[in-house]
Amino acid sequence: NFMLTQPHSVSESPGKTITISCTRSSGSIASNYVQWYRQRPGSSPTTVIYEDKERPSGVPDRFSGSIDSSSNSASLTISGLKTEDEADYYCQSYDSSDWVFGGGTKLTVL
Amino acid sequence: QVQLQESGPGLVKPSETLSLTCTVSGGSITHYYWSWIRQPPGKGLEWIGYIYYSGGTNHNPSLKSRVTMSLDKSKNQFSLKLTSVTAADTAVYYCARRVAAHFDFWGQGTLVTVSS
Repeated sequence: NFMLTQPHSVSESPGKTITISCTRSSGSIASNYVQWYRQRPGSSPTTVIYEDKERPSGVPDRFSGSIDSSSNSASLTISGLKTEDEADYYCQSYDSSDWVFGGGTKLTVL
Repeated sequence: QVQLQESGPGLVKPSETLSLTCTVSGGSITHYYWSWIRQPPGKGLEWIGYIYYSGGTNHNPSLKSRVTMSLDKSKNQFSLKLTSVTAADTAVYYCARRVAAHFDFWGQGTLVTVSS
């Protein structure tokens, strides 16, 4: 088994750029795809990034994903922050038998 | 557009079995992995397990042998049973479709409370 560790919270002003990290505890981050989900209060999660860096249709290009093997981590970057981006964000990955979510990061857009 | 809807009791007594069903509409249940994910109040997401349309299953090792999943192709439904529940199993339970690496469609979630 492995864990995905995210910062508990991030805050920034509208128009700025933030990056949320997701560090894998064991196994290579590059070996299995990483996904990112946004969850607004009272709603189900929705995908903002899948397969490390792909955006589903309807997700603006302000959202981008990347992988860094040197730190064994994935990152979600949101540029041009809007108040509507305020939500909880979860990374997710897997190995041969287990599907794991990070603990979630609360994004506050001040 | 695929839609998923969870159904089942909202209250389960400790030591009893939690049973939920997910109804899939707008698409066939074949050729995908159908998953259960839960979220305790105020906490993060936890993968419970999945069932493939052929009937093969996999579940979170932390839940040991308490999880059983099944699928009814004729009704386009899949189900979850979680035995010997405790207060720690209180959560919003989501059903979701998994395509390759990610969960692309989710139900709205249903709160299950374990309490006497």
